[in-house]
Amino acid sequence: GQNIDQPTEMTATEGAIVQINCTYQTSGFNGLFWYQQHAGEAPTFLSYNVLDGLEEKGRFSSFLSRSKGYSYLLLKELQMKDSASYLCALVTTSGTYKYIFGTGTRLKVLA
Amino acid sequence: NAGVMQNPRHLVRRRGQEARLRCSPMKGHSHVYWYRQLPEEGLKFMVYLQKENIIDESGMPKERFSAEFPKEGPSILRIQQVVRGDSAAYFCASSTGENTEAFFGQGTRLTVV
Repeated sequence: GQNIDQPTEMTATEGAIVQINCTYQTSGFNGLFWYQQHAGEAPTFLSYNVLDGLEEKGRFSSFLSRSKGYSYLLLKELQMKDSASYLCALVTTSGTYKYIFGTGTRLKVLA
Repeated sequence: NAGVMQNPRHLVRRRGQEARLRCSPMKGHSHVYWYRQLPEEGLKFMVYLQKENIIDESGMPKERFSAEFPKEGPSILRIQQVVRGDSAAYFCASSTGENTEAFFGQGTRLTVV
């Protein structure tokens, strides 16, 4: 089976940097996605990692270590609008190809 | 290119009625996923479909729930004889295939009264 762990909640200050961690276990890894979801809205795609290392995209970066079963999402220069849930999604081929989501990390950005 | 379209956005059903949730994937997308989300919780995988085929329904309850993705028309998630515990947001996502990001619809919020 698969297992994904993320912190439930985090709080940070506007302008700061925050790192949201995601650890996972799976027997058929095929990539890891990060999504952002504002309350009551659809998740939107942020990043995709399939190889080890850091992927940078503006204020958002995502890191993957396959050997450690670990990823993080780094948000720089935090803005109030970054207050949302951040979902780590594992793409697994155990059985069939599908996206398995963690429970999400609710980030609150304070002024 | 319209995004993933789900309808209705809100659906109220009495216990025992049927709920039909529709999802039109993005143009060119042949892979559809359905997820269920309870308040303050993550997305729970229900079913993965390709045109006319159910690929993986391991997350869908065996009774009362069914899904289809016909050759023509939207994907349908059908819940028969709804109960209060079925109240949740149901999200549909579509993609072009493997190793590509899935795009989500706005969800259908089902309330069973």
